[in-house]
Amino acid sequence: ETGVTQTPRHLVMGMTNKKSLKCEQHLGHNAMYWYKQSAKKPLELMFVYNFKEQTENNSVPSRFSPECPNSSHLFLHLHTLQPEDSALYLCASSQESGGAYYNEQFFGPGTRLTVL
Amino acid sequence: AQSVTQPDIHITVSEGASLELRCNYSYGATPYLFWYVQSPGQGLQLLLKYFSGDTLVQGIKGFEAEFKRSQSSFNLRKPSVHWSDAAEYFCAVGGYNNNDMRFGAGTRLTVKP
Repeated sequence: ETGVTQTPRHLVMGMTNKKSLKCEQHLGHNAMYWYKQSAKKPLELMFVYNFKEQTENNSVPSRFSPECPNSSHLFLHLHTLQPEDSALYLCASSQESGGAYYNEQFFGPGTRLTVL
Repeated sequence: AQSVTQPDIHITVSEGASLELRCNYSYGATPYLFWYVQSPGQGLQLLLKYFSGDTLVQGIKGFEAEFKRSQSSFNLRKPSVHWSDAAEYFCAVGGYNNNDMRFGAGTRLTVKP
């Protein structure tokens, strides 16, 4: 595997289900990100982890719970979601999340989530 | 707060024709500007970026963009579009801290044969 991978690629869940999205990066990076991509809306940054520490929580509802056990893996745990949470969830990674120089983000293909 | 506007939701061009995608930004300091492309079923890929210096920047796949501070614009151009350029294009503004990056809503490009 190379780059940033995400599983599953598609997920359909009911509002009472609990599911998890997984992201893995094979680039040796130290920062990982979750974004929400809804149709015709700007990409929304949800969470940022830098060296396994959460550095950004962009006012995301508590029904989304991130977990970063190490620099290569990032999870998004989902529970009691709403239909408006249906979207493409993108994971990205970069060498670091900020600093004295630019860190290019590399994106995974996303998980298409549908909440019924 | 920083923001990005992409005025065109959808653009259709014929293969071989020239292309210009518009991007306007709002940013309190010197902006760092980016264009990303997203092909169907793929993640976003960086096409080009502007930090400073020459206001005309070259990117991958034959794309270029021009930074115009007076117009707060960073439009993407390509002289001759190929069918494989059909995708969604996102403009973004930010700085060295990726937490501050803001994306536009995207422009979907359709290429007619």
